[in-house]
Amino acid sequence: DGGITQSPKYLFRKEGQNVTLSCEQNLNHDAMYWYRQDPGQGLRLIYYSQIVNDFQKGDIAEGYSVSREKKESFPLTVTSAQKNPTAFYLCASRAPTGVSSGANVLTFGAGSRLTVL
Amino acid sequence: SQQGEEDPQALSIQEGENATMNCSYKTSINNLQWYRQNSGRGLVHLILIRSNEREKHSGRLRVTLDTSKKSSSLLITASRAADTASYFCATVPSGGGADGLTFGKGTHLIIQP
Repeated sequence: DGGITQSPKYLFRKEGQNVTLSCEQNLNHDAMYWYRQDPGQGLRLIYYSQIVNDFQKGDIAEGYSVSREKKESFPLTVTSAQKNPTAFYLCASRAPTGVSSGANVLTFGAGSRLTVL
Repeated sequence: SQQGEEDPQALSIQEGENATMNCSYKTSINNLQWYRQNSGRGLVHLILIRSNEREKHSGRLRVTLDTSKKSSSLLITASRAADTASYFCATVPSGGGADGLTFGKGTHLIIQP
């Protein structure tokens, strides 16, 4: 089955530690995204990548870093510089533009919940 | 930045009733989409309506779009307990959506049996 796999589902971190959240997709999508969701809030864009070896900052990139070495993978590192990292993190991918039935529709993973102790 | 704003923030109705959620946005759009999120899960795409469309149906879902008022509504007919979830509208700007969609804060829908 095609989809997006995020791991781990739950993660606990001590203050001052970096953690990396995994996101893998087998949909052959070019574009991938990381969103952050806080309780009762919508989604805020952290980083996105349209092609391999290229990525762009979103609205709240400070304290986060990403890499895109493979089309299938878009890991997110939450660094110690992120002051309030406790949140629900969602990875998504998008079908290539020009695919009219799927243009701009995002497919999401199940999310990773990060808690800082 | 968040463009869409859903209204109401929370809605509780009895099973079998219809549920209506509204979304307002600020800038010109290419399309507007509705997503559903069950508690603690990822979002699932429900329906997309393009800027040149006024109404769209999918099963028990009906979406309307009024570009002059920059607003959309999602109607779920004959609600079921399984419809309990948060519903988000998301917009793609007229210039394209390379940086993804802009999401609202969502409407939390509770269907009481």
